[in-house]
Amino acid sequence: KQEVTQIPAALSVPEGENLVLNCSFTDSAIYNLQWFRQDPGKGLTSLLLIQSSQREQTSGRLNASLDKSSGRSTLYIAASQPGDSATYLCAVPPISSGSARQLTFGSGTQLTVLP
Amino acid sequence: DGGITQSPKYLFRKEGQNVTLSCEQNLNHDAMYWYRQDPGQGLRLIYYSQIVNDFQKGDIAEGYSVSREKKESFPLTVTSAQKNPTAFYLCATRLTQRNYGYTFGSGTRLTVV
Repeated sequence: KQEVTQIPAALSVPEGENLVLNCSFTDSAIYNLQWFRQDPGKGLTSLLLIQSSQREQTSGRLNASLDKSSGRSTLYIAASQPGDSATYLCAVPPISSGSARQLTFGSGTQLTVLP
Repeated sequence: DGGITQSPKYLFRKEGQNVTLSCEQNLNHDAMYWYRQDPGQGLRLIYYSQIVNDFQKGDIAEGYSVSREKKESFPLTVTSAQKNPTAFYLCATRLTQRNYGYTFGSGTRLTVV
């Protein structure tokens, strides 16, 4: 059964710092990997989607990488801002889930960017 | 704007009562999902539907029921058989014809009173 782990569980950094969030998964047979952001009491906002054939995706100050063979993904946030404070979740649909592509989520990294 | 509308935002349920959470989408996505989020446990799949009039149980379907009579709508009923329904419920959609990712709604917080 697919398991997804996110380290660290919480992270506090000063504004302007570059940071890396980690996501690891046990079954490398995945369709893709998706990074989400969740603000307190809100739904999930999709940040980046990396297909299984891709190595990385970029959107603005965000860059996500995928290394399927080692079961790892990283989310790099450049020049962090207080508005980046949120919980970041990664999720994968394992190929074993078939056409349903059910997501398996990590438990998230709670990021606080201090002004 | 295309998107997912979940209502209500907050819902209170008395013991023994059934309640229904609404999820409506105008994204023209064919697959719809219900997830439950509890602190410290991450998101868990309750039910999903890939086409109208068909749905499948997820990992924690006991005490819940769904229907999919229209492509745009996937309501979730929390029945009295669900012993611990207090949680944050998230609806999501996906376009199955393409290898796109998931889109999530803004959620409904259900509290038992």
